[in-house]
Amino acid sequence: DQQVKQNSPSLSVQEGRISILNCDYTNSMFDYFLWYKKYPAEGPTFLISISSIKDKNEDGRFTVFLNKSAKHLSLHIVPSQPGDSAVYFCAAKRPYNTDKLIFGTGTRLQVFP
Amino acid sequence: ETGVTQTPRHLVMGMTNKKSLKCEQHLGHNAMYWYKQSAKKPLELMFVYNFKEQTENNSVPSRFSPECPNSSHLFLHLHTLQPEDSALYLCASSQELVGEETQYFGPGTRLLVL
Repeated sequence: DQQVKQNSPSLSVQEGRISILNCDYTNSMFDYFLWYKKYPAEGPTFLISISSIKDKNEDGRFTVFLNKSAKHLSLHIVPSQPGDSAVYFCAAKRPYNTDKLIFGTGTRLQVFP
Repeated sequence: ETGVTQTPRHLVMGMTNKKSLKCEQHLGHNAMYWYKQSAKKPLELMFVYNFKEQTENNSVPSRFSPECPNSSHLFLHLHTLQPEDSALYLCASSQELVGEETQYFGPGTRLLVL
């Protein structure tokens, strides 16, 4: 059973507009969430994270929102740029389980001019 | 300099071969991981080492054998693999803390088993 789900395998957005990537989770014990970006032929790169004690974390063009009651998080990229075109993975972990990140299947974002 | 390096980047091997994947982290971390990424599947955690000790083996077949000689180096020894083992193998490292540590990934080794 997949505990972290990214139901949209792909997303296409025009340059300059907002990209919204979604992630749902089933385990209410998760307390820390991360987004990674992956280009072809490279490993995932850490992008932004959020603790369950917050509902929003912002870093430049990237903002992650957490809705604990809905077990949902989203990544907003604004404005989107062609260089943002990549696969985005969300991941989650439980408290005191320092080793294990549970990943979603990823969403491929394409930003076109 | 890239924090986590992996060699080789690409590997083609037959089912009877023995090969090893190497990972090195330059971040001073004390935990290292092997992940497998197959097409259209989530990243699957294979092994975890904390302070050189293996703390997790996620039901990985014995044809995959990890080795962690020190906290900076991690190997994955491969023998008698199957074609379904073809995948991207990713190494990661982190500084083990209770709470919010982040894993940093290497570029991966693209493995093809013929």
